[in-house]
Amino acid sequence: DAGVTQSPTHLIKTRGQQVTLRCSPKSGHDTVSWYQQALGQGPQFIFQYYEEEERQRGNFPDRFSGHQFPNYSSELNVNALLLGDSALYLCASSPGLAGNTGELFFGEGSRLTVL
Amino acid sequence: QQQVKQSPQSLIVQKGGISIINCAYENTAFDYFPWYQQFPGKGPALLIAIRPDVSEKKEGRFTISFNKSAKQFSLHIMDSQPGDSATYFCAASKSNDYKLSFGAGTTVTVRA
Repeated sequence: DAGVTQSPTHLIKTRGQQVTLRCSPKSGHDTVSWYQQALGQGPQFIFQYYEEEERQRGNFPDRFSGHQFPNYSSELNVNALLLGDSALYLCASSPGLAGNTGELFFGEGSRLTVL
Repeated sequence: QQQVKQSPQSLIVQKGGISIINCAYENTAFDYFPWYQQFPGKGPALLIAIRPDVSEKKEGRFTISFNKSAKQFSLHIMDSQPGDSATYFCAASKSNDYKLSFGAGTTVTVRA
C-alpha cells in the first residue's frame, strides 16, 4: 500500500518564477493538507483540500494556491517566488477532514530552493 | 505567531536514559495534542497523541504527560535507543479546525 507520494523531491527555481508541486494521497484518503517547513522549524499549515474545495487556509499570501482533482490528488502552486519560499513542502493526507480527529500521514516532501 | 512553544531545541542522551521534551500552548480551545517524529529526509510520522480528558498516555517507551491547568504537555522517551535519534515535534489543534499548529521541534541524539 503506497503512502503519500510527492513530486518532485528536489527543485531549484529563481526569484519571480512559478512552481507546481504534486501530491498523491495514501490509498483510501480523500483529504489533502499542505505544510511548509523552513529549515530548523516546525511545519506551518498552508491549506487543506476536501471534495476539490479549499476548506481552510493558513496565514499564507495569495501567491500560494492549490487544487484537488477528482482522484483526490493535489497540486500546490506558488507564484512570484521569493527567497523566503525556500523550504520543504509537505503534503499530508487523511481519511475525511481529520484535523484533530485522527492521524495525518505525511509524504517525504518536496525541497524547494529559490535562488 | 508560534501557538505552540517547544523546548529544548536539542538534547543529547545516553543509551538507556530518559529524554524529556516540553511544550506549552496558549489557546485553551486546543483539544488534541499529537507528537510527530521526523527522521532526516522523511516526512513527520505520528508517534503518540493525547486529549485533555486524560493526564497521561503511554505507548511502549513513549509517554505523554498533560497538565491542562498549566497548558503544558511533555513527551518522555524511556530507555532511549540510538534508533530514537530524530527530530520530535509537538502539535495542537482544536475541534472543527483542520490545521495542526506545530512546535519548532527538538532534535534528540542518543549516544550508544
